[in-house]
Amino acid sequence: DSGVTQTPKHLITATGQRVTLRCSPRSGDLSVYWYQQSLDQGLQFLIQYYNGEERAKGNILERFSAQQFPDLHSELNLSSLELGDSALYFCASSVDQGGRAEAFFGQGTRLTVV
Amino acid sequence: AQSVTQLGSHVSVSEGALVLLRCNYSSSVPPYLFWYVQYPNQGLQLLLKYTSAATLVKGINGFEAEFKKSETSFHLTKPSAHMSDAAEYFCAVTQKGNTGKLIFGQGTTLQVKP
Repeated sequence: DSGVTQTPKHLITATGQRVTLRCSPRSGDLSVYWYQQSLDQGLQFLIQYYNGEERAKGNILERFSAQQFPDLHSELNLSSLELGDSALYFCASSVDQGGRAEAFFGQGTRLTVV
Repeated sequence: AQSVTQLGSHVSVSEGALVLLRCNYSSSVPPYLFWYVQYPNQGLQLLLKYTSAATLVKGINGFEAEFKKSETSFHLTKPSAHMSDAAEYFCAVTQKGNTGKLIFGQGTTLQVKP
C-alpha cells in the first residue's frame, strides 16, 4: 500500500459528460501529480500541484482541470468527455516539489467513456 | 526536451536467467533517473532511483541499475529472474529544479517462462 488513495477505482460514463477523480496523498506529502496512462500514449504527465498551487503543467487538455485543496487532497475534473479520454488516471504524491523526491502512486482510476 | 527510450517493448527470459531491461535518456543536464514496476491492475511501485550519488544503484527485489553518463543509459538488471518478476517496467526521468514531473519511457513487458 503506497498510502495514496484514489477514488473511484472504476468509472464508466457517456460521451459529453463530466467526471471528477479524487486523490488523497500520503500523509505529509505536499506535492500531487496526475498522470494519464493509455495504450497509444503511454504514461503522460498532466499536472502538478504543490501545497495548493499549480507547479507544472504537461499536455493537459483544456477540457481537463485540477485543483489541490487546503487539506492537500486533489481533484481532477474531466469535462465534455470523448471516447479517446478512456484511460487509467494515476495520482502520485511526494514530500517535496522537486525531482529528487520519490513519487508514490495510487492504484489509479480506470475511466471508460462509452 | 527530455525523453526516455526503452529498447524492446517485450522481453522474455527463462526463470533463473539474467534480466536486462534497457533505458536511454536524452537530457541536457544530468537528470534524476527512476525505474518503476507495474503489476496488472495496480499502480506503479518504485524499484530504484539514481540521484547523483553512487552510479550503481541497488533496489528492491534484487534489481539494480547502473548510471552511465557517457552512454546516457540506465539499464536495469537482475541476476536471476523469478516468475513473480513478470510485470511491466518503466524507466523515468526528472530534472533538477522545482518540479518532480516524471517523463516515462514506453515501458517494457517482462515475461518469465518456467
